Amino acid sequence: AQSVAQPEDQVNVAEGNPLTVKCTYSVSGNPYLFWYVQYPNRGLQFLLKYITGDNLVKGSYGFEAEFNKSQTSFHLKKPSALVSDSALYFCAVRDGGYQKVTFGIGTKLQVIP
Amino acid sequence: DTGVSQNPRHKITKRGQNVTFRCDPISEHNRLYWYRQTLGQGPEFLTYFQNEAQLEKSRLLSDRFSAERPKGSFSTLEIQRTEQGDSAMYLCASSLSGGRSHNEQFFGPGTRLTVL
Repeated sequence: AQSVAQPEDQVNVAEGNPLTVKCTYSVSGNPYLFWYVQYPNRGLQFLLKYITGDNLVKGSYGFEAEFNKSQTSFHLKKPSALVSDSALYFCAVRDGGYQKVTFGIGTKLQVIP
Repeated sequence: DTGVSQNPRHKITKRGQNVTFRCDPISEHNRLYWYRQTLGQGPEFLTYFQNEAQLEKSRLLSDRFSAERPKGSFSTLEIQRTEQGDSAMYLCASSLSGGRSHNEQFFGPGTRLTVL
């Protein structure tokens, strides 16, 4: 079975400060890891993915995430938060041998002006 | 707009009725997924198609649920004898195997189902 944990329901950060949204995962095979963002009244949008290669992956809107195999983590980061980054962020994982994707429950990011 | 589209956007039905939702994926995408999302939760995987073949199916998908993708393009999700617990947002996503966007799923806006 595969699972994702997003330990924080909400993260508050001041505009201009760095942000981190945490994610840990569990999967039997090789992990494929993803971050998606959901803005109010809009569909889920892909941010970035880790499949293989460099542990630090860069994605849309200046976001990046670091894959840490020993800690089974895939935290989302951004050096300088914008108010427009305020949204619901989902971490997701799948076993490389299958297509089923398991999502976390989401973390609400609030960037304070 | 050539993104994933879903119809209807909202559906209100009475318990015991059947409902059918449609998903039109991005035209060149050969993979299609259905998810269910309830308030405060992430999307839960329901099923996956590669072209017209249904290759994976969650145990969440009871016998009342059936999905088809007859020609490998659009897909339908039918729920028979709806129950109040079926009330949720039903999401469709598509992806293309291979290429730069391999493994990236593009989501539709969802169909919100309310069962009274």
